[in-house]
Amino acid sequence: GENVEQHPSTLSVQEGDSAVIKCTYSDSASNYFPWYKQELGKGPQLIIDIRSNVGEKKDQRIAVTLNKTAKHFSLHITETQPEDSAVYFCAASSWDMRFGAGTRLTVKP
Amino acid sequence: GAGVSQTPSNKVTEKGKYVELRCDPISGHTALYWYRQSLGQGPEFLIYFQGTGAADDSGLPNDRFFAVRPEGSVSTLKIQRTERGDSAVYLCASSLWAGLGEQYFGPGTRLTVT
Repeated sequence: GENVEQHPSTLSVQEGDSAVIKCTYSDSASNYFPWYKQELGKGPQLIIDIRSNVGEKKDQRIAVTLNKTAKHFSLHITETQPEDSAVYFCAASSWDMRFGAGTRLTVKP
Repeated sequence: GAGVSQTPSNKVTEKGKYVELRCDPISGHTALYWYRQSLGQGPEFLIYFQGTGAADDSGLPNDRFFAVRPEGSVSTLKIQRTERGDSAVYLCASSLWAGLGEQYFGPGTRLTVT
């Protein structure tokens, strides 16, 4: 089955800096790669996603890149703000979805 | 429109008891998913439904866990003879159709088995 690995497990940046989170997946059949943000006591919130026929996607300060050959994808957050502080999860999916273990991002004001 | 809702938000039960957790998906979403999230971990897939049928239940840890979705909307996750290791947050998500991608999550039910 699918195995998703996510790095780093924790990330601390200064407000205004960029943050990058990386994930690898194992199943070449996976064709959909979402990123979720989870705040304490809440369910995961979809923030951006990418499909296997696209190499890069951007939405304001957030971008995701996908390298199908290497089976890895990354989340890039620019101009970070304190409210970006949360746990971020990557996932890989064909029919069902497998998640990485999460990255706790802290943005220091 | 309303998002995915889950009830109860918290459930405390004694070891050996039976519990039911409910999920109301987004209206019109035909696919429904259950996950379990332990502290410090990502959501772990349990089961998903396309309509009324369980399309993939390979993530259910053992036969104490069962889920139904009799009318293709609301789903109930049932856990028999609960164990302390079942303590976790149980998340439900729905999507327009299985395999299309975007899954939207509810707030979860925190289950504590004492």
